[in-house]
Amino acid sequence: DTGVSQDPRHKITKRGQNVTFRCDPISEHNRLYWYRQTLGQGPEFLTYFQNEAQLEKSRLLSDRFSAERPKGSFSTLEIQRTEQGDSAMYLCASSAHGRNGYTFGSGTRLTVV
Amino acid sequence: AQKVTQAQTEISVVEKEDVTLDCVYETRDTTYYLFWYKQPPSGELVFLIRRNSFDEQNEISGRYSWNFQKSTSSFNFTITASQVVDSAVYFCALSEAESGYALNFGKGTSLLVTP
Repeated sequence: DTGVSQDPRHKITKRGQNVTFRCDPISEHNRLYWYRQTLGQGPEFLTYFQNEAQLEKSRLLSDRFSAERPKGSFSTLEIQRTEQGDSAMYLCASSAHGRNGYTFGSGTRLTVV
Repeated sequence: AQKVTQAQTEISVVEKEDVTLDCVYETRDTTYYLFWYKQPPSGELVFLIRRNSFDEQNEISGRYSWNFQKSTSSFNFTITASQVVDSAVYFCALSEAESGYALNFGKGTSLLVTP
């Protein structure tokens, strides 16, 4: 088990383009979380899945954002019509149960130009 | 409203000094969990400790110690005899049942340890 993997590590995109990020959690973890971190701030919760069910979404997750976790394994986070304000580090974390702690991936750094 | 407050934005100390990072939280849940994470310049979030709301025992791990006080809603973190490698941003986080145990992070304290 190599921990939580995120792909790509870096993404530069032009404003208005769509981007998709992937997260592969630790295999036995049923919970998967997405966070966004901007410079100088702590990570902010976006959404989470328990198995394949998306159970909660933050108000930060506008209708341009969508996340999926088909079959309760890997997850994707898509941002449509990217804006410069979307530039941030997108972090994925997984957990066997939320109470027991989380393992974070290395993140995908998105730059919208 | 900010659920986790880390009032210290930046702290600078000289190597071997002790330093305490403050964390104050707010919750209505009786069952909750508190965490500290370290984020070095490389960017990954490194788990340091998890504490549940029913366990107020202080914990020591090497040069690190944590002081959890429910009466003041605080979960402070002390590094004894700081080292240059301790330089990082440290985040305190709260996890509650009402939010599916998603982590609610503070804004972080940037610690710089100089030789």
